[in-house]
Amino acid sequence: GAGVSQSPSNKVTEKGKDVELRCDPISGHTALYWYRQSLGQGLEFLIYFQGNSAPDKSGLPSDRFSAERTGGSVSTLTIQRTQQEDSAVYLCASSLSGGGLVKTQYFGPGTRLLVL
Amino acid sequence: AQSVTQLDSQVPVFEEAPVELRCNYSSSVSVYLFWYVQYPNQGLQLLLKYLSGSTLVKGINGFEAEFNKSQTSFHLRKPSVHISDTAEYFCAVRGGATNKLIFGTGTLLAVQP
Repeated sequence: GAGVSQSPSNKVTEKGKDVELRCDPISGHTALYWYRQSLGQGLEFLIYFQGNSAPDKSGLPSDRFSAERTGGSVSTLTIQRTQQEDSAVYLCASSLSGGGLVKTQYFGPGTRLLVL
Repeated sequence: AQSVTQLDSQVPVFEEAPVELRCNYSSSVSVYLFWYVQYPNQGLQLLLKYLSGSTLVKGINGFEAEFNKSQTSFHLRKPSVHISDTAEYFCAVRGGATNKLIFGTGTLLAVQP
């Protein structure tokens, strides 16, 4: 079946502009995660959505970052007033949830963001 | 808090040789451990995971890992590597009370002919 998809695959923007990154999780997956992969920081957790529960935003680096998940499916990560240090690959993952068992996270191909 | 340490940033190895990629973790709660692989210009793919039970875990592509609680390690091994195994390998831990993955800094496995 279809995996996690992300768009755009690449994004180049100017410092100070806002960007939106999109993630389409695997159908039926109720949990969705955003991570960031950068040269200086490695792979970092950003935010986690689980069903209708309040998201875990503990990894968002600043208030310029926000994310939403509409209808329990598609998610958008928004970065306002982008800075050069925001340049990174933004990865989305999804998983099943519930049942008291640890579920595997499946990753998308990522969006490569370059802030000039 | 949980953390993961991958001591080797790069491991060069000749084709058909054995390899071990090291991973040590720190956690104050029950741990669930994962190895992911990232091929060039691709997303992360799960290699194997340890949730409970047998400490020796077998994964895809001939890889295996052993959970060692006393040494807080989860090293990845393969008895004979191929050129196609060239990729970056990430160890990750998920604490029992959270759902996010905490990743190590990654190890680049460079297989040479």
